[in-house]
Amino acid sequence: NAGVTQTPKFQVLKTGQSMTLQCAQDMNHEYMSWYRQDPGMGLRLIHYSVGAGITDQGEVPNGYNVSRSTTEDFPLRLLSAAPSQTSVYFCASSYSRGGRWRNIQYFGAGTRLSVL
Amino acid sequence: AQSVSQHNHHVILSEAASLELGCNYSYGGTVNLFWYVQYPGQHLQLLLKYFSGDPLVKGIKGFEAEFIKSKFSFNLRKPSVQWSDTAEYFCPVVYNNNDMRFGAGTRLTVKP
Repeated sequence: NAGVTQTPKFQVLKTGQSMTLQCAQDMNHEYMSWYRQDPGMGLRLIHYSVGAGITDQGEVPNGYNVSRSTTEDFPLRLLSAAPSQTSVYFCASSYSRGGRWRNIQYFGAGTRLSVL
Repeated sequence: AQSVSQHNHHVILSEAASLELGCNYSYGGTVNLFWYVQYPGQHLQLLLKYFSGDPLVKGIKGFEAEFIKSKFSFNLRKPSVQWSDTAEYFCPVVYNNNDMRFGAGTRLTVKP
């Protein structure tokens, strides 16, 4: 049981390049989400998914795309990287228990992205 | 819009000192409250959570938090901190079983 796995751990991009941050969980969680963490701003929700085939926008979705073709995977795509997207990205997943679902989130180790 | 406020951005304590980190949230109906800790270079880990019942919640590593509904607060406490408690602390709030909102976090530095 690996939990939430994110790859890569570090990435440097040039402005305008595209890339995909990978996230996989092996806990059969329905809910998955992507956050970015910036100094002094805590974590901000980018996109989330309540199940395979269903995604929705969070607080800061611009410049990012997601898809959820399987329960396990939730990749985050940067379409055309910008320096403002330099950040640490965390993927998280949640399970359902007694109706209180999507609440106890398990986080991945993070991807540190620099856009030059 | 719902929001979470963590008043202290950086707290510096000596070992064995008592800790209290503030967390306030804006009203927004049903809330579920958490404290997460992020050690340097690591991912977020759950310290404790409150859904309902006894407003004094005990978590791991000697931490506890008290939910005061009238004050919209969920402060984190520990009677005696250790150097290993140096980390960043977050108190996200889930509104109406929906998305999880984070505050800016509080960085705790414990001097040996």
